[in-house]
Amino acid sequence: DAGVIQSPRHEVTEMGQEVTLRCKPISGHNSLFWYRQTMMRGLELLIYFNNNVPIDDSGMPEDRFSAKMPNASFSTLKIQPSEPRDSAVYFCASSRGVDEQYFGPGTRLTVT
Amino acid sequence: GDSVTQMEGPVTLSEEAFLTINCTYTATGYPSLFWYVQYPGEGLQLLLKATKADDKGSNKGFEATYRKETTSFHLEKGSVQVSDSAVYFCALSEAPWGANSKLTFGKGITLSVRP
Repeated sequence: DAGVIQSPRHEVTEMGQEVTLRCKPISGHNSLFWYRQTMMRGLELLIYFNNNVPIDDSGMPEDRFSAKMPNASFSTLKIQPSEPRDSAVYFCASSRGVDEQYFGPGTRLTVT
Repeated sequence: GDSVTQMEGPVTLSEEAFLTINCTYTATGYPSLFWYVQYPGEGLQLLLKATKADDKGSNKGFEATYRKETTSFHLEKGSVQVSDSAVYFCALSEAPWGANSKLTFGKGITLSVRP
């Protein structure tokens, strides 16, 4: 299995631009999680889905952030408009039922 | 709410030294406890877990025991190697662990092992 796939691996954009991060979970996994990691705040859960349905989005920082999961094999996290304080590493993770979460390699976002 | 507290880092050890990384938690129920490890440039991966009190999780020479009385889940290894250099995260999930459960992570601690 290829594991959780995230794209792009690195993204540099200017303040105000729209940013879309993509995630392909492991086939057969029914839960998907988006995390953000920064030095200041550590690892934060932004949102998670179960069977493509958003279960808890209380970690989404503000309305500029949105996430979708149109099918079992794809999810996006969108930031519009982006700001410098959004600079972080964004991780996607997936799991199957009671099993462990498997993390992707992350997307390093830099907003200038 | 749930929370996980890890000891302050970073930690630097010589190869073959004994390692202890402290982790304590606060939870309303009976959580499952985890240690995740993040190697440079990679995502997190599960190192070990324990799902009930007095359980011991172990993997790759690392061990941690679920201590309900002290609400702790300290990570130990008898002899560290340079390849153990990484960031270690303690985490919890409210039981029963299921598809709708989410992980609460500690801030992580960086371990560097010198040859």
